Amino acid sequence: NAGVTQTPKFQVLKTGQSMTLQCAQDMNHEYMSWYRQDPGMGLRLIHYSVGAGITDQGEVPNGYNVSRSTTEDFPLRLLSAAPSQTSVYFCASSYMDTIWTSGRWNEQFFGPGTRLTVL
Amino acid sequence: SQQGEEDPQALSIQEGENATMNCSYKTSINNLQWYRQNSGRGLVHLILIRSNEREKHSGRLRVTLDTSKKSSSLLITASRAADTASYFCATDAIETSGSRLTFGEGTQLTVNP
Repeated sequence: NAGVTQTPKFQVLKTGQSMTLQCAQDMNHEYMSWYRQDPGMGLRLIHYSVGAGITDQGEVPNGYNVSRSTTEDFPLRLLSAAPSQTSVYFCASSYMDTIWTSGRWNEQFFGPGTRLTVL
Repeated sequence: SQQGEEDPQALSIQEGENATMNCSYKTSINNLQWYRQNSGRGLVHLILIRSNEREKHSGRLRVTLDTSKKSSSLLITASRAADTASYFCATDAIETSGSRLTFGEGTQLTVNP
C-alpha cells in the first residue's frame, strides 16, 4: 500500500494563479482532510470529507475548494492564490469508527506534504 | 484559538533521559491523540486515548489523560537521538456543530547523543 500520496511536493505560484493540490489514498478510508501548517501555529483544518460526495468546511476554508467524487481522491483547489496561502499543506485520511464509542476522528494517516510558495 | 496547547514549546535532553510533554485543552473531548513529525515530513500517529481512559502505553511511550484538569501528558522513556522531532497533541473536541480534530502548536524535542 502506498498510503496517502500528495502531488506536487513543491510549488511556486504567482498571486492570482489557480492550482490543484492532489491527494490520494489506497486504504479505503472514509474520512479525508486537508490541513495547512504554518510556523508556530500547528495544523489548521481547511476542509474535510466523510465520504464520496460529502464535504464540509474546517477552521480556515476561505480561498479553497474541495470535491470528493471518489473514495480515493480528495483534491484541494486554490482559486486565486494569495501570499497568505504560502504554507505547507498536508492531506490525511482515517477510517470511520462507531461514533458513539470513540468520536468521529480516529488515527489520521498523513501524506508527505506539499510546500507551496505564493509570490 | 487553538484547542490544544503543548508545554513546553521546546525541550532538550540527553540520550537515555526521559522526556515529558504536556497538552492542555479547553472543551470536552471524545479522544486525544499524539503525533510525531520529523523535520520536513508528514505527521505520524503515536497514540489515541479515549475520554474514558486514564493511561495508555505503547512501547517507550506513556500517555495519561486527566479530563477533570483538561490535560494530557506524553512520556518518552529512555530517549534516543531518533526521537528528535516535533510532537503534537490533537483533540477530538465535542462542539455544537459536531466534533473537530484540532492540533496544538507542538513541542520541539531534541535528544542529544
